[in-house]
Parts: sequence; structure tokens; C-alpha cells
Amino acid sequence: AQSVTQLDSHVSVSEGTPVLLRCNYSSSYSPSLFWYVQHPNKGLQLLLKYTSAATLVKGINGFEAEFKKSETSFHLTKPSAHMSDAAEYFCVVSVLSGNTPLVFGKGTRLSVIA
Amino acid sequence: GAVVSQHPSWVICKSGTSVKIECRSLDFQATTMFWYRQFPKQSLMLMATSNEGSKATYEQGVEKDKFLINHASLTLSTLTVTSAHPEDSSFYICSAADLTQYFGPGTRLLVL
Repeated sequence: AQSVTQLDSHVSVSEGTPVLLRCNYSSSYSPSLFWYVQHPNKGLQLLLKYTSAATLVKGINGFEAEFKKSETSFHLTKPSAHMSDAAEYFCVVSVLSGNTPLVFGKGTRLSVIA
Repeated sequence: GAVVSQHPSWVICKSGTSVKIECRSLDFQATTMFWYRQFPKQSLMLMATSNEGSKATYEQGVEKDKFLINHASLTLSTLTVTSAHPEDSSFYICSAADLTQYFGPGTRLLVL
């Protein structure tokens, strides 16, 4: 079975400082891993995905994540936070891409302070 | 990227009525669509997997007679909440899959 644990329910950073959102996964098979962002009252937007290619994945809006198999982690980072980054972030795992359900973490709410 | 639409985006209904939510893949064919539910300040929970031309597979604890899913074509799946009650108020999100899952914008249901 697959599962994800987002280690922080809420992260608060100052504008212009780095962002780190932590995610650990569990999977019996080689996983596909995703980060999605959800702004208030909006749908989900895919930030980036890992599907067994390069372990350092670059996404949209300056976000990136590194797949570390030895640590079963897939942490999301951004060098400099912007006010518009304030949102809910979900780490997601899937055994296979496409036609298998995604398993969502509980989410991390990112607040950005001016 | 591929686009998935949902209609309506907002619906308010009286308790006891039924509500139908449509999920469409606009520029690709999706053999599989998923329906998720999200309560306020919580994560998404998978409700069911919808396969074109066959019965949906429901997750444990989801009432299949209450949440009717029809996947009549490769671009359309519908979720009907039958005899809705206030506890069914939630944010319902669909996704459509080819090699990647693409999410719709969600439908917010409020049952009075």
C-alpha cells in the first residue's frame, strides 16, 4: 500500500526567504510522486512530478523537489517565497501514473508574511 | 496540458433533492476518471474510480446508492448525489487520466 506523510500541517515564512515543505512516502513499488497546490476555494494545480527519471525535479513558479529513495522523502523547496505562494500544498503518491488512484497527504498550509 | 472541466462550479440545494455534477475531459479521452471529496481544511479523499462503460469502483465507506457515478463516454463522467443532506455539503473534485491525472476545478455543494 502507498501512503504519504506531510510532516508539517502549517509552515510560515517571511517573503523572500526559502520554503521547505516536507514529505515522506511509503510504497511497495517504485512510486510516482507529485506536489499539488490549492489556493483558497480553487482546484488543484500540479507543481511538479517525479516518475523515475531525474531525482531533482523542477516545477512551475520556481519550485523544485528532490526524490531521495534512501530517506523515502520528496521535500518541496523554493529559494525565495512570494506572497502569492500562500496556499495549501499536497504531496501525492501513486504506484503507477495514469489510471491508478492517487493517495494524498493531509496537506501543508503555507503562510507567507510580508 | 490537458483540461478537465466540472459543472456546476457551485450548487446550493434543499435537503432531499438530488444534484448532478459533470466532469469532462475537454481535449483528450479518459478511460478512467476519479471522484474525490474534500471537507474544509482537509485533504482529498478518493470516493470512487469510474471506468468508461463499466460500473464504478467505490472506496470503503462510500455509499454507492447515494453517490451514483456514470461514465457513459470517454470524455464524460457524472456524479449524482441522491437525496442530499447537509452532511453531504463538501467540495467535490474529479480527475481524468490518460498517462497523467488532470484535475477539474471542483464543485462546491451546499445542502440546506
